[in-house]
Amino acid sequence: LAKTTQPISMDSYEGQEVNITCSHNNIATNDYITWYQQFPSQGPRFIIQGYKTKVTNEVASLFIPADRKSSTLSLPRVSLSDTAVYYCLVGRTGTASKLTFGTGTRLQVTL
Amino acid sequence: NAGVMQNPRHLVRRRGQEARLRCSPMKGHSHVYWYRQLPEEGLKFMVYLQKENIIDESGMPKERFSAEFPKEGPSILRIQQVVRGDSAAYFCASSPAVSNEQFFGPGTRLTVL
Repeated sequence: LAKTTQPISMDSYEGQEVNITCSHNNIATNDYITWYQQFPSQGPRFIIQGYKTKVTNEVASLFIPADRKSSTLSLPRVSLSDTAVYYCLVGRTGTASKLTFGTGTRLQVTL
Repeated sequence: NAGVMQNPRHLVRRRGQEARLRCSPMKGHSHVYWYRQLPEEGLKFMVYLQKENIIDESGMPKERFSAEFPKEGPSILRIQQVVRGDSAAYFCASSPAVSNEQFFGPGTRLTVL
């Protein structure tokens, strides 16, 4: 399983764009990059998944460079309710099942 | 469509007792996963089940822990003779197929006294 490295914590003000970068130098050809969000006392929630280039949905964008050794989750104009832990996961989809969570990035949004 | 349901939400047991955690997957989902989360840590995979079958139990402790997903009814994670180190949040997730997009329940917080 590819190991991921993320910043332990980040701080932002409300209304700013937040970019969280994840390093995954040993990503395999068949691996996808998946991001989850977890609020205190809740289960994680799927945010976005991608394989290469750029993926965008109503919540976030995911940027993946050509070498795929890193990825950046972009949250536009964060609000206080975006305060959470964000996990970057790397692994195959459609085959093996288990998600491997690291310690994540704790994002704190303030006024 | 109700989300993944887990009960109880909080469970307190004394050392040596048994803990039973229940998980009802989302409607139409036949794949269930169990994870454990210790304070200030990420989730750790325990077991993956499909109806009546254990597919991957590589994250399950060898003793005292078992899981099932019967044809009818919820998935059960069973911990026998609990110890203080079993205190954690246990999350269940489900998916309609094998996928990295899994839908998580609210978790069961187990406290062992």
